[in-house]
Amino acid sequence: QVQLVQSEAEVKEPGASVRVSCKASGYTFTDNYDINWVRQATGHGLEWMGWMNPNTGNTGYADKFEDRVTMTRDISISTAYMELRNLQSEDTAVYYCARGRFDPWGQGTLVTVSS
Amino acid sequence: SSQLTQDPPVSVALGQTVTLTCQGAILRYFSANWYLQRPGQAPVHVMSPKNNRPSGIPDRFSGSDSGTTATLTITGARADDEGDYYCNSRDSSGRHPRWVFGGGTKVTVL
Repeated sequence: QVQLVQSEAEVKEPGASVRVSCKASGYTFTDNYDINWVRQATGHGLEWMGWMNPNTGNTGYADKFEDRVTMTRDISISTAYMELRNLQSEDTAVYYCARGRFDPWGQGTLVTVSS
Repeated sequence: SSQLTQDPPVSVALGQTVTLTCQGAILRYFSANWYLQRPGQAPVHVMSPKNNRPSGIPDRFSGSDSGTTATLTITGARADDEGDYYCNSRDSSGRHPRWVFGGGTKVTVL
């Protein structure tokens, strides 16, 4: 079955960067499905961050994250990556990847930003 | 900016029916999808546009669209239908396509 498995939780200091990975299985990674990234702070709703097309590498980011997020992929290992730079405490959240029309979702990666 | 507005928290008795709404101007152009997030879990896709249910989603879930409003109806609510329901839709008004989520509706099954 289609599955997205994300990397483990991370703890970062303010100003640092984090890279979260999302390994796809059960389908051809370069098929016509974008990988979307969504985050959720504790007690809050879902916030879309951007998309990446695994076939072309094209990306589209939410305005809020445009200047400090980069989404990439490694086709050889069917893995998508989301890097967020200049982390602040308000970036503490669970980060999810999701295929296409958000089906399925990865299990989520908790990123904690704390000094 | 584009946004989707969802209902405040609702409760439904076991076996009864609840209808959730999602409103926004962008729904004139792209229909809504719906997701259920149970406590402590990742969201699950429960409804696609035109009342299409993803594989494995029971037929007690149904959806509809009209103008700027999308609805998700749960007929015969079960305990495991409890959680936060989110709608989303595409927004093509910017430099590139983007997605917008509603703020979510918490559903409690009594």
